Amino acid sequence: GENVEQHPSTLSVQEGDSAVIKCTYSDSASNYFPWYKQELGKRPQLIIDIRSNVGEKKDQRIAVTLNKTAKHFSLHITETQPEDSAVYFCAASTSGTYKYIFGTGTRLKVLA
Amino acid sequence: NAGVTQTPKFQVLKTGQSMTLQCAQDMNHEYMSWYRQDPGMGLRLIHYSVGAGITDQGEVPNGYNVSRSTTEDFPLRLLSAAPSQTSVYFCASSYSMTGLGEKLFFGSGTQLSVL
Repeated sequence: GENVEQHPSTLSVQEGDSAVIKCTYSDSASNYFPWYKQELGKRPQLIIDIRSNVGEKKDQRIAVTLNKTAKHFSLHITETQPEDSAVYFCAASTSGTYKYIFGTGTRLKVLA
Repeated sequence: NAGVTQTPKFQVLKTGQSMTLQCAQDMNHEYMSWYRQDPGMGLRLIHYSVGAGITDQGEVPNGYNVSRSTTEDFPLRLLSAAPSQTSVYFCASSYSMTGLGEKLFFGSGTQLSVL
């Protein structure tokens, strides 16, 4: 079945620096790739997503890139702020399967 | 709109007990699902539904039952709780039943401990 690997498991950056989280998926038919942010004790919330017909998508300080050939996608956060500290999950889904397979999460700490 | 509502927020069970985790949404979403979250393992899909009367298994369905009698409700049943089912459980829903991939709206979670 589909498998999604996520790295790193923890990431510490200085405030103002950039953070990059990478995910690799196994099913070449996957075509939807969302990213969720989960603050401590809270529910996961979608922050950005990308479909397979697009190579990059940006939303202010957040961007996601997709390399279909290599089967990996990445989350980029620029000018990090303390409120970016959270656990980030990537996921992959294939049309018609109704399943979202999540990565194991990255705990991001932004140091002031 | 209340969104996705889960009850209870916390629950402690003894091994072998049964219970039902409740999930309700008021957004007229066709797709509903249950995940469990364990440290270092991310979110794993237990069961999902694409509409009333339709359910299917996810990655880790053993030990759990679901049913979908209405669009709004999607309860998760533990028939005989085991310590391995200690976890945080999230219900999630989305508009689409086409399987094209849509934003998931999560409930606030249920922290379950099985002793």
